Amino acid sequence: AQKVTQAQTEISVVEKEDVTLDCVYETRDTTYYLFWYKQPPSGELVFLIRRNSFDEQNEISGRYSWNFQKSTSSFNFTITASQVVDSAVYFCALIRRGSQGNLIFGKGTKLSVKP
Amino acid sequence: GAVVSQHPSRVICKSGTSVKIECRSLDFQATTMFWYRQFPKKSLMLMATSNEGSKATYEQGVEKDKFLINHASLTLSTLTVTSAHPEDSSFYICSARTGTDTQYFGPGTRLTVL
Repeated sequence: AQKVTQAQTEISVVEKEDVTLDCVYETRDTTYYLFWYKQPPSGELVFLIRRNSFDEQNEISGRYSWNFQKSTSSFNFTITASQVVDSAVYFCALIRRGSQGNLIFGKGTKLSVKP
Repeated sequence: GAVVSQHPSRVICKSGTSVKIECRSLDFQATTMFWYRQFPKKSLMLMATSNEGSKATYEQGVEKDKFLINHASLTLSTLTVTSAHPEDSSFYICSARTGTDTQYFGPGTRLTVL
């Protein structure tokens, strides 16, 4: 069975702080994709990143960085120097590569960045 | 990234009426689209998988006669909530999958049934 766990329900930080959102997954598949999506108050889910299970290189995009570790089945997301605009619910998701099925979502982490 | 539109963004209707929500992939063709429902402060709940040219696959507990899905083309899927009732009020989100297994989401439709 596949499962994604985001243990942090809500996180509150002050602007300019760094914050890490945790994501732990379970799967028996050897090839899969992991995703992060951002859902701001407007409601639309914004695609942030897709990571192939074969690629364990960490990725950085501006203030965002992702740490993928297969050994611990984790795909954590760090925002550096957080801003108020980063306030949103963040979802981690998993899908077996080539699957015709759906994404398996975590329950989301609500991040509040206060000025 | 790919763009998915959803229309309308907000709809208020009377109990017993039907409401149609459109989901379009604007710059890519999507053989598969998904429909989700999201309750306040909750994660997304998959309602059905919509495949172009074939019948939708509904998740357990989702009434297919109440939530009609039509995927008539590679860029358009529609969800019709038939005989809507107040308990159908929710945020409905669609997504379209690209050839790289990535799902892009529409902006969502907030349905309020009076």
